[in-house]
Amino acid sequence: AQSVTQLDSQVPVFEEAPVELRCNYSSSVSVYLFWYVQYPNQGLQLLLKYLSGSTLVKGINGFEAEFNKSQTSFHLRKPSVHISDTAEYFCAVSGRAGNMLTFGGGTRLMVKP
Amino acid sequence: EPEVTQTPSHQVTQMGQEVILRCVPISNHLYFYWYRQILGQKVEFLVSFYNNEISEKSEIFDDQFSVERPDGSNFTLKIRSTKLEDSAMYFCASSSTQGSNVLTFGAGSRLTVL
Repeated sequence: AQSVTQLDSQVPVFEEAPVELRCNYSSSVSVYLFWYVQYPNQGLQLLLKYLSGSTLVKGINGFEAEFNKSQTSFHLRKPSVHISDTAEYFCAVSGRAGNMLTFGGGTRLMVKP
Repeated sequence: EPEVTQTPSHQVTQMGQEVILRCVPISNHLYFYWYRQILGQKVEFLVSFYNNEISEKSEIFDDQFSVERPDGSNFTLKIRSTKLEDSAMYFCASSSTQGSNVLTFGAGSRLTVL
């Protein structure tokens, strides 16, 4: 079984500032890791994923995340946010054998002008 | 870009009524899923479906829930006798393969049970 903890329920940040959204997971097996974004009144859109290989993963909209196996973390970062990045961000994991995603509680990123 | 389509976007129903939520997955995808998110809580896995049968389900997916792929395009979630605690946003998703688990999600159907 897996679990995901997103440490911050809300992150307010000013436009053009850097941001980090934290995600920690626990699992007894090797996992795949994902970040999804949900804009208002829309579905969950894949931002990026870690399947294997390089631990630094780049995604859409200038986001990146780093897989840290020793700390069981997969934090999401962006060096300079825009107003349009305001959304809910979800970290998720799945075991490599199955197809069930386990989500964290979500982090609401609020970008202020 | 291909997308997963869900209907209705919002449904209000009385407790005890049957509800069917509909989804049109991406056309060449083979795996289908339902997730739900109760307001203020995590997105939770309900069920996965492949080759016309359930491949995995969670504890939430009890006998009052069922899924069906009645034709080549639709994937439905039925709740036989809704309860207040079924009020949630229900997300449909599909993927082309298993294992790498890149799911494409729909915009969700909000169910309100009164």
